[in-house]
Amino acid sequence: QQQVKQSPQSLIVQKGGIPIINCAYENTAFDYFPWYQQFPGKGPALLIAIRPDVSEKKEGRFTISFNKSAKQFSLHIMDSQPGDSATYFCAASGRGNQGGKLIFGQGTELSVKP
Amino acid sequence: DGGITQSPKYLFRKEGQNVTLSCEQNLNHDAMYWYRQDPGQGLRLIYYSQIVNDFQKGDIAEGYSVSREKKESFPLTVTSAQKNPTAFYLCATRDRGSTEAFFGQGTRLTVV
Repeated sequence: QQQVKQSPQSLIVQKGGIPIINCAYENTAFDYFPWYQQFPGKGPALLIAIRPDVSEKKEGRFTISFNKSAKQFSLHIMDSQPGDSATYFCAASGRGNQGGKLIFGQGTELSVKP
Repeated sequence: DGGITQSPKYLFRKEGQNVTLSCEQNLNHDAMYWYRQDPGQGLRLIYYSQIVNDFQKGDIAEGYSVSREKKESFPLTVTSAQKNPTAFYLCATRDRGSTEAFFGQGTRLTVV
C-alpha cells in the first residue's frame, strides 16, 4: 500500500514533443504528490507538486494531471527541449506517513532528441 | 552559501570496512532523511530524523546506522553488514510544517 508505481522506465521524444510520465498509488492517505527532476550526478530538485483537491496544475511547460478516483497522476512536458533530458521521479506523502517521508516511484529516464 | 552539503562526492570502500557519509545543512530544517538510489529502483528511504537525538528506520535500514546529535548534522554509517553497499546516497531535509524536501548533491559509494 505504500508503493508508488511509475511508468515508463525510459522515454525518448523529439524536440517539441510532449512526453507523459504516469504514476499510480494505493494508499488513500497520501495527500501530497510532487515530481522531482534529477540530472546525472546531482540530487533531485522539486519540479512541481499537487494536492488531491485539484485535478490539474501548470507551472510553465510542466503540467500535473491528477485523477483521484483512479489514484493516478501524470506529468506532461509541453514543447520539450533537449535541456529537459533528465530522470523524473514522482512521489507521494501524507497522513499516516510518519515523518513526512516521501515514497518515490522508480523513475523515468527522459531523453529529448534535437 | 546555503543549503545541504554532502561529503565526500565519491567514496571508495574495501569490503569489510565501515564508512561514514556526511550530511550538513544550514537551512535550519528539523527533519533530515537518507535515501539510497539504485538504477531502476527509485529512491529508497534508509533512515529519517524529525528532531535532534531521535531517528527512525526507513524501508531499508539493515546494515546502516545514523546519529542526530546536532540539528545541522545527520551522518550515515554504512557498516560491513550491508551486503550490497555500492550506490548513490542522497540526504534530504524538510522544514517543519512544509511538504517540500530539499536534496543534497549525493555521495557515490563504491565497494572495491
